[in-house]
Amino acid sequence: GAVVSQHPSWVICKSGTSVKIECRSLDFQATTMFWYRQFPKQSLMLMATSNEGSKATYEQGVEKDKFLINHASLTLSTLTVTSAHPEDSSFYICSARDPRPGGQETQYFGPGTRLLVL
Amino acid sequence: GESVGLHLPTLSVQEGDNSIINCAYSNSASDYFIWYKQESGKGPQFIIDIRSNMDKRQGQRVTVLLNKTVKHLSLQIAATQPGDSAVYFCAERKGSNFGNEKLTFGTGTRLTIIP
Repeated sequence: GAVVSQHPSWVICKSGTSVKIECRSLDFQATTMFWYRQFPKQSLMLMATSNEGSKATYEQGVEKDKFLINHASLTLSTLTVTSAHPEDSSFYICSARDPRPGGQETQYFGPGTRLLVL
Repeated sequence: GESVGLHLPTLSVQEGDNSIINCAYSNSASDYFIWYKQESGKGPQFIIDIRSNMDKRQGQRVTVLLNKTVKHLSLQIAATQPGDSAVYFCAERKGSNFGNEKLTFGTGTRLTIIP
């Protein structure tokens, strides 16, 4: 399957600071990537769809000014949590679909980034 | 509202036995379903998928069954091993806006393999 990476794998920051998380597709180009958030013992909740070269599409209830998404290239999407607060502490996971011929339709996920805001 | 849910939140199975994880979905427009495995602290890992025009698909030690009549999806794992212990999620894709489709995840089932 396709490989998706994330960086950093974990981050601890002070309340009020901003944190940037990177998502990369390593062996394919992804015009669309997805950002999810997962709280402990809960399922994945889609936050936004990241589109290369255009604005991201946010799910209802997700603040676009707080969770800034940039998809500047076909292999990189970034999520910036601005003015982070303790309630933003969560596991953030990105995914991308492999569009290559013969590639499966499914989304492949990165390893996740655990964010802890103190 | 539309949702994808699981019947059993936890499941314990003896090593070597078969396990079945169930999932109910409510959106009849969903055309594609996926099972993911998530180990602690890691991202979801693709296991197997099935399109809505199929009712069964087999992989290595795994089988997915789809019953569109009752909107039910199941994952069968044969000859379970300790490494199968994880949380399993079903996910559905609604619509066919290929390349920009969204997935809706179920609540997850924690599978524990007993040595």
